[in-house]
Amino acid sequence: GAGVSQSPSNKVTEKGKDVELRCDPISGHTALYWYRQSLGQGLEFLIYFQGNSAPDKSGLPSDRFSAERTGGSVSTLTIQRTQQEDSAVYLCASSLGTGAYEQYFGPGTRLTVT
Amino acid sequence: GENVEQHPSTLSVQEGDSAVIKCTYSDSASNYFPWYKQELGKGPQLIIDIRSNVGEKKDQRIAVTLNKTAKHFSLHITETQPEDSAVYFCAAFYTGGGNKLTFGTGTQLKVEL
Repeated sequence: GAGVSQSPSNKVTEKGKDVELRCDPISGHTALYWYRQSLGQGLEFLIYFQGNSAPDKSGLPSDRFSAERTGGSVSTLTIQRTQQEDSAVYLCASSLGTGAYEQYFGPGTRLTVT
Repeated sequence: GENVEQHPSTLSVQEGDSAVIKCTYSDSASNYFPWYKQELGKGPQLIIDIRSNVGEKKDQRIAVTLNKTAKHFSLHITETQPEDSAVYFCAAFYTGGGNKLTFGTGTQLKVEL
């Protein structure tokens, strides 16, 4: 079946602009995660959604970052007033739940802020 | 919260040799330890995982060992092949504060012909 998809695959934006990154999880997966991967670094947790529960936003680095998940499926990560340090690959993952389940990752969106 | 350390950051082996990557975690509440392989331009893909009630798990050329007392776990790849070249990440699933994975910083494995 279809895996996790993300769009766009690449995004170049000017400093100060807002960007929206999209994630389509695997159908039936109730948990959805966003991570950030800077060059040569590990994966930094940003936020996760589980069903209709309030999201865990504890990893968001600043109030310029926000995310929503509509209808328990598609999620959008928004970065307002982008800064050069926001340049990274943004990865989305989904899983059957927020227990110790396998997380399936999308291919990521490479964001470059000029 | 959880903290995961991973070593080495880079590893170069000859084809056919074994490769070992080691990780340590800080919180005894972690109970699930997956390993991911990430190829260039792709998202991480799970290759093997182990839960805290098991000490070792093997899948063909890949094995993972877990020492709960010492809080460390390792990935072993035998008979390495060029297609094993990638970045490998360990992770620990931390139940103590939010049900999330904490990742190590990755190991760049290069298998040379």
